[in-house]
Amino acid sequence: DSGVTQTPKHLITATGQRVTLRCSPRSGDLSVYWYQQSLDQGLQFLIQYYNGEERAKGNILERFSAQQFPDLHSELNLSSLELGDSALYFCASSVLTGPDNEQFFGPGTRLTVL
Amino acid sequence: QQQVKQSPQSLIVQKGGISIINCAYENTAFDYFPWYQQFPGKGPALLIAIRPDVSEKKEGRFTISFNKSAKQFSLHIMDSQPGDSATYFCAASSNQAGTALIFGKGTTLSVSS
Repeated sequence: DSGVTQTPKHLITATGQRVTLRCSPRSGDLSVYWYQQSLDQGLQFLIQYYNGEERAKGNILERFSAQQFPDLHSELNLSSLELGDSALYFCASSVLTGPDNEQFFGPGTRLTVL
Repeated sequence: QQQVKQSPQSLIVQKGGISIINCAYENTAFDYFPWYQQFPGKGPALLIAIRPDVSEKKEGRFTISFNKSAKQFSLHIMDSQPGDSATYFCAASSNQAGTALIFGKGTTLSVSS
């Protein structure tokens, strides 16, 4: 158990809908990352937050957005969903200090868009 | 542009054999190279990591070999066991805490008993 929690575990929805994925980082970790895992693209970095502020953006679509709240939990919002958005979405957290860039991954949310 | 290329895509090894997975990177700014292990239904978990100031790092049955001039690194699993059957991802980032990881596409390892 990495200490990172994600809800829900599974999500099934229809095209055009909007969903929210939630992540709670490990205790003490201020940085949260969102990654998307699909069969064809592999694990891709979407976005990172640190202590409530956006820190870095990766291959995140404009239909997707995220935020980190004062209690450090984060939410990833996916809107106008398309079939191709079906994937596993992982949240990871890390400390922002120290020599190594170890990131701890949650169990993921499996999104199925029908 | 795929910044970290991983091969093979899948690998079948007999119990007790050596599993070898290779990765190559393009960005010379990368200086932190972790390997993650993922079991079905679970998130990736850090297995072992290396920085380019060393050519090899060993932890138990797992060894990373690193070739800075070739921009390549590999994971060796000695005495492979059925419990090692999982998907392995190499990754790279700058060696600065708080930087996004760039992953290879993964290798599915199956260790037959």
